Amino acid sequence: DQQVKQNSPSLSVQEGRISILNCDYTNSMFDYFLWYKKYPAEGPTFLISISSIKDKNEDGRFTVFLNKSAKHLSLHIVPSQPGDSAVYFCAAFGGANNLFFGTGTRLTVIP
Amino acid sequence: ETGVTQTPRHLVMGMTNKKSLKCEQHLGHNAMYWYKQSAKKPLELMFVYNFKEQTENNSVPSRFSPECPNSSHLFLHLHTLQPEDSALYLCASSQDPRRGYRSPLHFGNGTRLTVT
Repeated sequence: DQQVKQNSPSLSVQEGRISILNCDYTNSMFDYFLWYKKYPAEGPTFLISISSIKDKNEDGRFTVFLNKSAKHLSLHIVPSQPGDSAVYFCAAFGGANNLFFGTGTRLTVIP
Repeated sequence: ETGVTQTPRHLVMGMTNKKSLKCEQHLGHNAMYWYKQSAKKPLELMFVYNFKEQTENNSVPSRFSPECPNSSHLFLHLHTLQPEDSALYLCASSQDPRRGYRSPLHFGNGTRLTVT
């Protein structure tokens, strides 16, 4: 059973607008969450993370929000740029070494 | 040199072949990982090594055999694979998470494996 879920396989956004990618998880023991970005023919690249003791972390155009009671996190990209078009994976640490991934959301930013 | 390098990028092998995937990291990390990505599925953890010691084997069939000679190199030896083993195999590295410090995994570009 999947412990990290990304229910939207794809998202299209106009350039300059906000992109919101969502992720849900089931395990309340997860204590560290990450977003990765993946271009075709490349490995996932780390984007931004958040510890479970926080509810928001911001890095430039990227902000991650964590709602522990709802077991939900989201990634906001403002403003969206065409170069942001990629597949975005949500991931969560459970246990010492195991990073659980979602299935990804393909973001397309339309110029 | 990029942080995590995987070779080969593409590999086609028959079910009776033996081949190896190689991974090298130049980030000074001490944990290394093998992940498998199949179509429409999340990345699945296969193996973890901390300081060259295997600390996780995620119920992976014995036809996949990892080897970690040092903290910078990781191999995945393949033999008598099945067509359903065709997937993207990703190597990653990080600081040792057992110390309680969470650090992101850094991934290589993967090896696209096709078993015929």
